[in-house]
Amino acid sequence: GENVEQHPSTLSVQEGDSAVIKCTYSDSASNYFPWYKQELGKRPQLIIDIRSNVGEKKDQRIAVTLNKTAKHFSLHITETQPEDSAVYFCAASSQTGANNLFFGTGTRLTVIP
Amino acid sequence: GAGVSQSPRYKVAKRGQDVALRCDPISGHVSLFWYQQALGQGPEFLTYFQNEAQLDKSGLPSDRFFAERPEGSVSTLKIQRTQQEDSAVYLCASSPRQGTNTGELFFGEGSRLTVL
Repeated sequence: GENVEQHPSTLSVQEGDSAVIKCTYSDSASNYFPWYKQELGKRPQLIIDIRSNVGEKKDQRIAVTLNKTAKHFSLHITETQPEDSAVYFCAASSQTGANNLFFGTGTRLTVIP
Repeated sequence: GAGVSQSPRYKVAKRGQDVALRCDPISGHVSLFWYQQALGQGPEFLTYFQNEAQLDKSGLPSDRFFAERPEGSVSTLKIQRTQQEDSAVYLCASSPRQGTNTGELFFGEGSRLTVL
């Protein structure tokens, strides 16, 4: 089955700096890669997703890049703000395993004011 | 409310007790998923329903775990003879589409189970 690895497990940045979180996946059939944000004690919420037919997607301060050849994808947050502090999970899904979304182990991002 | 609702939010059980966790998905959502999230880990898939049909239960860790969605709406995850390793947050998610690679999953806030 799919194996998603995520790094780093914790990340601290100064407010206004950029943050980058990286994930790798093992199943070349994976074609959908969402990112979820989970604030302490809250539900995971989708912040951005990308499909394998594109290499990059951007939404305001958030961008995701995908390298299918290397089987890795990254989340980029620019101009970080204290409210960006949360745990971020990457995930991967394929049509062959379309019932299962495989999550990484999470990155705890702390933005220091 | 308009979101996915789970109850109870917190459950403490003695080892060996049976527990039942409820999920009210967003009205009209076809797909319903259960995930288990251990402390400091990402959610791990347990089972998937498309309407009332349980199409995938490959993630259920043992036959002590049972899930149902009899009318294609509310779902219940039951854990029999709970053990300490069952302690986790159980997340329910729903989607208006089939499968997980078709778009956003809408998660509930989870049921935190502690087995003593």
